[in-house]
Amino acid sequence: EADIYQTPRYLVIGTGKKITLECSQTMGHDKMYWYQQDPGMELHLIHYSYGVNSTEKGDLSSESTVSRIRTEHFPLTLESARPSHTSQYLCASRNSGGPGTDTQYFGPGTRLTVL
Amino acid sequence: QKEVEQNSGPLSVPEGAIASLNCTYSDRVSQSFFWYRQYSGKSPELIMSIYSNGDKEDGRFTAQLNKASQYVSLLIRDSQPSDSATYLCAVNPFGGSNYKLTFGKGTLLTVNP
Repeated sequence: EADIYQTPRYLVIGTGKKITLECSQTMGHDKMYWYQQDPGMELHLIHYSYGVNSTEKGDLSSESTVSRIRTEHFPLTLESARPSHTSQYLCASRNSGGPGTDTQYFGPGTRLTVL
Repeated sequence: QKEVEQNSGPLSVPEGAIASLNCTYSDRVSQSFFWYRQYSGKSPELIMSIYSNGDKEDGRFTAQLNKASQYVSLLIRDSQPSDSATYLCAVNPFGGSNYKLTFGKGTLLTVNP
């Protein structure tokens, strides 16, 4: 059972609003990830973190930003939401380590709709 | 560019049949391999992990790994309509590249009653 949580699960918001999507895990994992996925499409990595105070951009360019001040918490922020940001955002985490200790778990996701 | 390739499908099988899902990867020194199931509108959930050559069985699921051929597969026996989902293959590369999983685009499986 994966102990990784995302809030809110659904968010409908108007253009120009600032939003923060929350992600927390209680497994003590050092690596955390944000993916963006449109319906029926592949996963796209937009941000990841190796540990506290470490953040990197992923493979897909995103206007969002992230922070990692605590091991368990990896929030994603959009300063000014636009309709093009409408998507599902998936948070994930895993441990560093070799085979058998590196399983990645996903949170339930946040479905964002920007009007 | 390390890649993971999957047949996008859709793969359609009758209820009770064996579904075979295939995945190839380009990074020869990859060390960990995962299969995730993703229902429409939901997040991926882990089904199987495999690290050594050969077969690994868990209930109706069997993962098969052949590192020499850079090939990993997932067999689903006695397929059920509830198995209808997209199946994602993911590979963890070795050493310095070991910061993220590489995912395939997924294979859509439909099990017909």
